[in-house]
Amino acid sequence: EVHLVESGGGLVQPGRSLRLSCAVSGFFFEDYGMHWVRQAPGKGLEWVSSISWNSATIGYADSVKGRFTISRDNAEKSLYLQMNSLRPEDTALYYCAKETYSNSVRDSFYYGLDVWGQGTTVTVTS
Amino acid sequence: DIQMTQSPSSLSASVGDRVTITCRTSQSISTYLNWYQQKPGKAPKLLIYGASNLQSGAPARFSGRGSGTDFTLTISNLQPEDFATYYCQQSYNTPRSSFGRGTKLEIK
Repeated sequence: EVHLVESGGGLVQPGRSLRLSCAVSGFFFEDYGMHWVRQAPGKGLEWVSSISWNSATIGYADSVKGRFTISRDNAEKSLYLQMNSLRPEDTALYYCAKETYSNSVRDSFYYGLDVWGQGTTVTVTS
Repeated sequence: DIQMTQSPSSLSASVGDRVTITCRTSQSISTYLNWYQQKPGKAPKLLIYGASNLQSGAPARFSGRGSGTDFTLTISNLQPEDFATYYCQQSYNTPRSSFGRGTKLEIK
């Protein structure tokens, strides 16, 4: 069974850093694009960042570009989100999610995000 | 950036009803449009990909239509478990993406 488990969230002051992790199991992680999506308390979903299977293609939302860095370690079957210069508006539940199909399928993100973790909470406050 | 306009923001309906949610994008995205369902305290669940394709395991009462800039999600014969929040997402300008603001479907 496919599992995604986020960790690393917590309470942090504005301007500080935090690193989120997403440990995966049950599928060939090295073949799949991965994403981070967040949800502020009582608000909707916000796409944050994505990384291709081989880390060659990376994207960020404008709201986090220049402050957040996505990465992955295929050997460790883990996805990361390094968050620097945190702001109160970064307070949210952060989900990691996998693309439905592997890199064997052209344009794999066309098929959406089929498995999500349960999220890790980040609270930025002084 | 591709802007997503989802409507209505909330909707009241009864079990057995048929409801339609609309998602409009600021530029043409062909059929690169996905729909998700989210229940309180739970992670989102993929319902429809590629604008009209039912994700494996999603009930057949969910259907999607559209291409270009205008898309709809229709739920036929509403069931109690369908009351949730629904989001559209564009996957056109990979590696970036964006979601609509969501539609909360409530019981009348």
